[in-house]
Amino acid sequence: QLQLQESGPGLVKASESLSLTCTVSGGFIRQSDYYWGWLRQPPGEGLEWVATVFFDGSAYYNPSLKSRVTISVDMSKNQLSLRLNSVTAADTAVYYCARQGGSYSYFDSWGQGTRVTVSS
Amino acid sequence: EIVLTQSPDFQSLTPKEKMTITCRASESIGSSLHWYQQKGDQSPKLIIKYASQSISGVPSRFSGSASGTDFTLTINGLEAEDAATYYCHQSTSLPWTFGQGTKVEIK
Repeated sequence: QLQLQESGPGLVKASESLSLTCTVSGGFIRQSDYYWGWLRQPPGEGLEWVATVFFDGSAYYNPSLKSRVTISVDMSKNQLSLRLNSVTAADTAVYYCARQGGSYSYFDSWGQGTRVTVSS
Repeated sequence: EIVLTQSPDFQSLTPKEKMTITCRASESIGSSLHWYQQKGDQSPKLIIKYASQSISGVPSRFSGSASGTDFTLTINGLEAEDAATYYCHQSTSLPWTFGQGTKVEIK
């Protein structure tokens, strides 16, 4: 049973950087069939795709965030990570990691999410 | 960027009724349209992939269809556990985008 578990700081100050980690269990990031992504959901709002990565490091980014975001994988730890620079209040959200069933595909397995609040 | 517009934004229905949600894409996306269910503070759950393909473990009362740039999610015979917000998602072109969501209330 695939499980994804996000972890993060909870609270970040405006203008600082946010780092999140997603630990995958019950499966391997190295699996060539899947991609791995980050999505977010501001309070009371809908879903926004942030970034997606393949085990070889190739990545796709949402253009609205591309200048501030880096996604990466650590196969030795079976983890994916997200770094978001220069955060503002607009970055306050629940951040989810999810498995994607291919490069241009659906998200078929999601973590429980980690809540991030940006304080001024 | 492809915009997905869901309608309605909110539905209040009684058990056993039929629920229909529409997702309209701003341009052609083929069949690369997926549906998710999100209950309360839980994470989203994939319920339909590629417009009409079923997902293992999802009840058969959930179905999807497509006509051009209009996509429909149908629940035949609503149950109390179907109370949730439903989102459509396109994976045809970057950035991948979601509809704004449809909240379904069961009376």
